[in-house]
Amino acid sequence: DGGITQSPKYLFRKEGQNVTLSCEQNLNHDAMYWYRQDPGQGLRLIYYSQIVNDFQKGDIAEGYSVSREKKESFPLTVTSAQKNPTAFYLCASSMGGELFFGEGSRLTVL
Amino acid sequence: GQNIDQPTEMTATEGAIVQINCTYQTSGFNGLFWYQQHAGEAPTFLSYNVLDGLEEKGRFSSFLSRSKGYSYLLLKELQMKDSASYLCAVSHGSGNTGKLIFGQGTTLQVKP
Repeated sequence: DGGITQSPKYLFRKEGQNVTLSCEQNLNHDAMYWYRQDPGQGLRLIYYSQIVNDFQKGDIAEGYSVSREKKESFPLTVTSAQKNPTAFYLCASSMGGELFFGEGSRLTVL
Repeated sequence: GQNIDQPTEMTATEGAIVQINCTYQTSGFNGLFWYQQHAGEAPTFLSYNVLDGLEEKGRFSSFLSRSKGYSYLLLKELQMKDSASYLCAVSHGSGNTGKLIFGQGTTLQVKP
């Protein structure tokens, strides 16, 4: 079945460590996105990519990095520069219409 | 600035009708989406409005007034499984309709 796969589902990190969240899609969508969700807040856009080898910062890109080497993959690295990384991270893709979301990755910094 | 407002919480009774409102102020408008999100899960698409008027899809309907910057999601014949958060999101700017601004979400509790 087509869809978006995020891994890991749960991740714990010590302060000062970088972690990478995986996002893979087999929907053949051109565009991919990373959103962050905090309790009581709406989803906020971190980075997005409309085409392979190109990506743009969203509203809260500081402390994060991405790459788009393949159409199917859009990994997100949460760096030690991100001051408050504990959150629910959602990857999504689209062909210019609705967003299709992955199941999410919950990151907790200890 | 860009802003989307929706009520934080709502409670309704099983079998009833509930209307969740959303107002928005954005630079540019390419359409408005409603998503449903159960706790700890990913959002799922419910509806999309780009023109004024009502879009009906089964028990769910969504309305848009672009001149008023206003939308609502109407849920009929409420079921317990409708207890979830409902996210209003606006596509803005040029081109890429996947670049959305989300409201904080409305948590709906359906009671027996």
